[in-house]
Amino acid sequence: NAGVTQTPKFRILKIGQSMTLQCTQDMNHNYMYWYRQDPGMGLKLIYYSVGAGITDKGEVPNGYNVSRSTTEDFPLRLELAAPSQTSVYFCATRSGQGQVHNSPLHFGNGTRLTVT
Amino acid sequence: GEDVEQSLFLSVREGDSSVINCTYTDSSSTYLYWYKQEPGAGLQLLTYIFSNMDMKQDQRLTVLLNKKDKHLSLRIADTQTGDSAIYFCAGGSASKIIFGSGTRLSIRP
Repeated sequence: NAGVTQTPKFRILKIGQSMTLQCTQDMNHNYMYWYRQDPGMGLKLIYYSVGAGITDKGEVPNGYNVSRSTTEDFPLRLELAAPSQTSVYFCATRSGQGQVHNSPLHFGNGTRLTVT
Repeated sequence: GEDVEQSLFLSVREGDSSVINCTYTDSSSTYLYWYKQEPGAGLQLLTYIFSNMDMKQDQRLTVLLNKKDKHLSLRIADTQTGDSAIYFCAGGSASKIIFGSGTRLSIRP
């Protein structure tokens, strides 16, 4: 099992460019999440999904879009990159089956994005 | 909306106990978690507590929950250099988990 795989690991964007951060999982988990972590700060929830075809906004959704057409994939789209979106982006999953407290978040290794 | 707050830094001497504190606003949080992040890595679950519990002990880790004050703490006994990391408190429901800003724990020899 690869777990949660994020690509790319690093990316530099110019202001106004767009890109998609990829997240894929092979654990058949229902729930998937995108968080951003700014330097020295905690994680802020951008979007989440409780299953294929269902997405919801988190704490900081502005400037981002997501889709969940399959259980495995949950891409995060930045349409018009801004310097404020410079951050480390983490994708996470959880099973959602059985008892939730025994279903911890599994994190990918993150994508470090710089917008200049 | 939900909010989770933590102090940013804690420094302890090796061998002492570390206590990391957290307050949360959403009284409907069903589960409260502690995650650990080592440099350059993602987060790993350390322990959790269900909202109807007051205390949970797991080897060197003790979690205390005061629901009235919406206060959660993590005690690490006999702190070691390998415990140096950022510790995140998190709370939420079945579908959504909100994190605090993290407490950076540093260990003095």
